[in-house]
Amino acid sequence: KQEVTQIPAALSVPEGENLVLNCSFTDSAIYNLQWFRQDPGKGLTSLLLIQSSQREQTSGRLNASLDKSSGRSTLYIAASQPGDSATYLCAVMDTGRRALTFGSGTRLQVQP
Amino acid sequence: GAVVSQHPSWVICKSGTSVKIECRSLDFQATTMFWYRQFPKQSLMLMATSNEGSKATYEQGVEKDKFLINHASLTLSTLTVTSAHPEDSSFYICVVAGSTDTQYFGPGTRLTVL
Repeated sequence: KQEVTQIPAALSVPEGENLVLNCSFTDSAIYNLQWFRQDPGKGLTSLLLIQSSQREQTSGRLNASLDKSSGRSTLYIAASQPGDSATYLCAVMDTGRRALTFGSGTRLQVQP
Repeated sequence: GAVVSQHPSWVICKSGTSVKIECRSLDFQATTMFWYRQFPKQSLMLMATSNEGSKATYEQGVEKDKFLINHASLTLSTLTVTSAHPEDSSFYICVVAGSTDTQYFGPGTRLTVL
């Protein structure tokens, strides 16, 4: 059974810092991996989706990488801003299964 | 992309009552719908998968007689929490999928059972 772990569970940084969020998964037979943002009490917003054949995806200040063989993904946020404060979730779609398995998330607080 | 709505967005009910949550996809034929729940400060956990016109498939530990799922059309799925109890208080999210791998998330429904 796929398990997804995110480290750290919480992170507080001053504005302007570059930061890295980590995600690991136990079964490398994934179809894709996706990073989401969730604001308190709200639904999920998809940030980046990486297909299993890809190594990374970029959107603005966000860059997500994928190392399928080692079961790891990182989300890099450049020049963090207070508006980036949220919980970041990673989720994997296993090959042959369309449902997503989510990590427990990293709660990010960017201090102004 | 598709727009997915959930109704209600939040609901408070008394213990023992039943609550129905609707998930609608606009301009999108949702052949598959997933229902997830998220307890406070925890991640999303899959409850069940439903295909249009078929019975839902429930994840281990999810009581099918308590969480009734109906996916009668390509644009509507409902989740009914029967005889709700405080431990059912959670954030319920539906996710719709079509013939491709793209999935669209609903905004969620917050259920509070007193």
